[in-house]
Amino acid sequence: KNQVEQSPQSLIILEGKNCTLQCNYTVSPFSNLRWYKQDTGRGPVSLTIMTFSENTKSNGRYTATLDADTKQSSLHITASQLSDSASYICVVSERSQAGTALIFGKGTTLSVSS
Amino acid sequence: EADIYQTPRYLVIGTGKKITLECSQTMGHDKMYWYQQDPGMELHLIHYSYGVNSTEKGDLSSESTVSRIRTEHFPLTLESARPSHTSQYLCASRGDSSTDTQYFGPGTRLTVL
Repeated sequence: KNQVEQSPQSLIILEGKNCTLQCNYTVSPFSNLRWYKQDTGRGPVSLTIMTFSENTKSNGRYTATLDADTKQSSLHITASQLSDSASYICVVSERSQAGTALIFGKGTTLSVSS
Repeated sequence: EADIYQTPRYLVIGTGKKITLECSQTMGHDKMYWYQQDPGMELHLIHYSYGVNSTEKGDLSSESTVSRIRTEHFPLTLESARPSHTSQYLCASRGDSSTDTQYFGPGTRLTVL
């Protein structure tokens, strides 16, 4: 069964610190992997997208990495801000005959405190 | 900024009422989706559409129904709301390429008393 596992489930860090969120997947055949940020009570917003051939992609203070061999991805947040407090969701696209299916992780809840 | 809208944002309603959650997008996307998300939990796909007059059920069984009469509009209907339907409902759309980003609406928080 295609799965996306994220860790940790939740994380509390001090403002200004760095953190790394993990995503392991078993989705095959793999199409691409996205990281989304979801603020409380809002819809998810895309941060990065990586295809099979991409190892890293940055979006401001967010840097995502992808190891397609080990089926692992990470999202690194640098110099965290209070506004980074949100749920971060890893989404892997599975290529199928019917099209592309999206497999969602459960997310990591990040709390940044002052 | 994504051009996808949902109304209402919040809805509190009594058991047995019929409700329709609205979703519209102005990006011309053929693919549209409805997700259900309980607090602190993952998104579950309940309906999707790949174009006008095309609707399919998602991974999570839902008593709701959807319609797609126009490209930009994808409403979700509950004929008789129950407390078990209390949840957040998120609408999304994306383009046809597999690398196209899926854009989400702000969601509708539904509470059935």
